[in-house]
Amino acid sequence: ETGVTQSPTHLIKTRGQQVTLRCSSQSGHNTVSWYQQALGQGPQFIFQYYREEENGRGNFPPRFSGLQFPNYSSELNVNALELDDSALYLCASRSRQGETETQYFGPGTRLLVL
Amino acid sequence: AQSVTQLGSHVSVSEGALVLLRCNYSSSVPPYLFWYVQYPNQGLQLLLKYTSAATLVKGINDFEAEFKKSETSFHLTKPSAHMSDAAEYFCAVTHSGAGSYQLTFGKGTKLSVIP
Repeated sequence: ETGVTQSPTHLIKTRGQQVTLRCSSQSGHNTVSWYQQALGQGPQFIFQYYREEENGRGNFPPRFSGLQFPNYSSELNVNALELDDSALYLCASRSRQGETETQYFGPGTRLLVL
Repeated sequence: AQSVTQLGSHVSVSEGALVLLRCNYSSSVPPYLFWYVQYPNQGLQLLLKYTSAATLVKGINDFEAEFKKSETSFHLTKPSAHMSDAAEYFCAVTHSGAGSYQLTFGKGTKLSVIP
């Protein structure tokens, strides 16, 4: 158990819709990252939030956005869903103290876009 | 830029045999290296990590990995495979200058254990 939880576990949407995925970070971890894992691939970094602001972004378009809240929870929002957005979405939290380089992952949300 | 190459998308071993999963990395600065394991329909669990201390790193469930700078490798080994080791394994790299410590992952190696 990593102490990182995600909801929902599974989700089905249709092309063009919008989706919100949620993550609750490990207590004391004030940095959260989101990753997309397509089928048969390794996870790819989407973005990271620290103190409720985005402070790092991978090669993903602006229709991928996020929010971080003071209670260590966060959201990933995806607008105008495309078929290729079908993937497992993982959030990961880390602390800015101690083992700052180590990220702990949640179980993921599997999104299917039809 | 940083990258990871995992040699072999699928590795099969007999129960009790040595497990060797290969990982080579590319990084222009001293790296931090990780191995994660993913069981079916689950998230990623940290197995072990290298953060510039000892080059031989021990992790959970008797896994270990050795950082070899000259070979830019971080191969994962386990002396004796168990059925419960069947899963997908991901090698990942980051570094302190990455700011966000964003991880770059390899494509993964699926380990099958034959009874």
